Amino acid sequence: AQSVTQLGSHVSVSEGALVLLRCNYSSSVPPYLFWYVQYPNQGLQLLLKYTTGATLVKGINGFEAEFKKSETSFHLTKPSAHMSDAAEYFCAVSERAAGNKLTFGGGTRVLVKP
Amino acid sequence: GAGVSQSPSNKVTEKGKDVELRCDPISGHTALYWYRQSLGQGLEFLIYFQGNSAPDKSGLPSDRFSAERTGGSVSTLTIQRTQQEDSAVYLCASSFPGADTQYFGPGTRLTVL
Repeated sequence: AQSVTQLGSHVSVSEGALVLLRCNYSSSVPPYLFWYVQYPNQGLQLLLKYTTGATLVKGINGFEAEFKKSETSFHLTKPSAHMSDAAEYFCAVSERAAGNKLTFGGGTRVLVKP
Repeated sequence: GAGVSQSPSNKVTEKGKDVELRCDPISGHTALYWYRQSLGQGLEFLIYFQGNSAPDKSGLPSDRFSAERTGGSVSTLTIQRTQQEDSAVYLCASSFPGADTQYFGPGTRLTVL
């Protein structure tokens, strides 16, 4: 069975500061890994994903994440936070053999202070 | 092109009533997923349809929940005899067959009084 752990349900950063959201997963097979963002009263929007190949993946809005197999991690970073980054972020894992259904972490709500 | 659409956007019902939630996937997407987002349980998988194959119902929390997909397109999630713990946002997602990326609709917020 797969599982995802996101450290910190709430993160507060200053505008212009580094954003770091932590995600660790467990999976019995090589996983597909995702970060989704959810703005208030909206659905989920894909930020980035790792399936195969390069372990450092870049996504939309200046975000990137690195797949580290040895650490079973897929942390999300952005060098400089913007007010518009205030949202909830979800890390997720899927297995192709299981129909790609997603298992989500608990989410991290990001507050950006001016 | 058009994204995944869901209706209604909000639904308020009384305990014990049945409700139907609708999802229109992106055209050409044969895979369709339902998820539930609640304060207590976070985001959890409910059911998955792929083409004409038997659906994966492994995430449905009780036999009060059911879903169907007509003509390989529109899907309806039905909750019978609603309970207060069914209050949540129900999200639908779709993808091309075998694709790793799912596209989510805006969700239906269900409130059971």
